[in-house]
Amino acid sequence: NAGVMQNPRHLVRRRGQEARLRCSPMKGHSHVYWYRQLPEEGLKFMVYLQKENIIDESGMPKERFSAEFPKEGPSILRIQQVVRGDSAAYFCASSPVQGAGSNYGYTFGSGTRLTVV
Amino acid sequence: AQRVTQPEKLLSVFKGAPVELKCNYSYSGSPELFWYVQYSRQRLQLLLRHISRESIKGFTADLNKGETSFHLKKPFAQEEDSAMYYCALPNAGGTSYGKLTFGQGTILTVHP
Repeated sequence: NAGVMQNPRHLVRRRGQEARLRCSPMKGHSHVYWYRQLPEEGLKFMVYLQKENIIDESGMPKERFSAEFPKEGPSILRIQQVVRGDSAAYFCASSPVQGAGSNYGYTFGSGTRLTVV
Repeated sequence: AQRVTQPEKLLSVFKGAPVELKCNYSYSGSPELFWYVQYSRQRLQLLLRHISRESIKGFTADLNKGETSFHLKKPFAQEEDSAMYYCALPNAGGTSYGKLTFGQGTILTVHP
């Protein structure tokens, strides 16, 4: 089991371009969470998805950001028309059941470091 | 609203010295708390959770409901403990149940 896989590890985009960040959860995990780590700040929740459903997107900026977790394939976090303030590390986590507090735990990927130039 | 506070952004100690990373929380109900560690440019890893009352890599943390704290302690710090440490609290229920609220993080540096 390869764990939670995120790609790319590093992504450089010019202002105005689109950024697509991918997250493949652990095998058997159907719950995916995205977090953002801004420079000098802690992790902030963005969105929680199950297969084909967005469960909680209360942490997502209202504009330019979207997320999906299709029936087949990885979860995608998409940022349109990126700006310098989007530069951050984006982490994905997965779990087999709902809830980070469950006995099954919560496994993080290595993150994607987005740099907007 | 629930909240996790780590008052120290940076903490430096010398090898062999005791270390305590502070975490305070606000939560209505009986909380379940975690400590995560992030070594340089690596993924976050669960260090310990309070319900298991275990010691990992020499670290322990005790939940103090009276002081609403969950401080992380180690009696003798090692250089390899240098990392970013996050205290985290899962949301209580409903659709928010899946998510974690993190503190701001504390960067621990252990000097030789």
